[in-house]
Amino acid sequence: GQSLEQPSEVTAVEGAIVQINCTYQTSGFYGLSWYQQHDGGAPTFLSYNALDGLEETGRFSSFLSRSDSYGYLLLQELQMKDSASYFCAVINKGTYKYIFGTGTRLKVLA
Amino acid sequence: EPEVTQTPSHQVTQMGQEVILRCVPISNHLYFYWYRQILGQKVEFLVSFYNNEISEKSEIFDDQFSVERPDGSNFTLKIRSTKLEDSAMYFCASSDPVGNEQFFGPGTRLTVL
Repeated sequence: GQSLEQPSEVTAVEGAIVQINCTYQTSGFYGLSWYQQHDGGAPTFLSYNALDGLEETGRFSSFLSRSDSYGYLLLQELQMKDSASYFCAVINKGTYKYIFGTGTRLKVLA
Repeated sequence: EPEVTQTPSHQVTQMGQEVILRCVPISNHLYFYWYRQILGQKVEFLVSFYNNEISEKSEIFDDQFSVERPDGSNFTLKIRSTKLEDSAMYFCASSDPVGNEQFFGPGTRLTVL
């Protein structure tokens, strides 16, 4: 089967750094994406990794290790507005079927 | 900035009725998707659509569901004979030819009574 596992909840303070992990089991792996979702809102794209290594976009970075079936999202200089749910998503090659992880609820405290 | 739009924002229906959820993807995108999210849970893939046909569907997407692209702009999800457990937020998404970044619409909240 296909599955993605994430921690259910992470809490951190403003200005801190937090890492959200994602481990996956899937066939036909094409890439790993990360999405942010605020309560009541739609998912919005943050980053995408097709190859091993680190991708940096401003305060957010994402890492992928294909051999370990593992990735993480790193959020730096946390702000209150970063409080949201974060989902990793695996993309299946050929069909563009996206499987979303269980989601991690990030709470940023003042 | 182009965006995906969905109508209606909220649909209330009686159990057993049929509903049609509508989406207008971003105009130059070629891949279209429907997802379902039950309150507080993860986003669940329903179906992907490319070149006027379904490219992949999940086990959730049974005969109760169908999708259509009736013209050059709209992309619809039809749910026949709705059940209480179909109550959820339904998101439409589209992506460009690269396929890695999806743009989500604001969602339609479906309530089945």
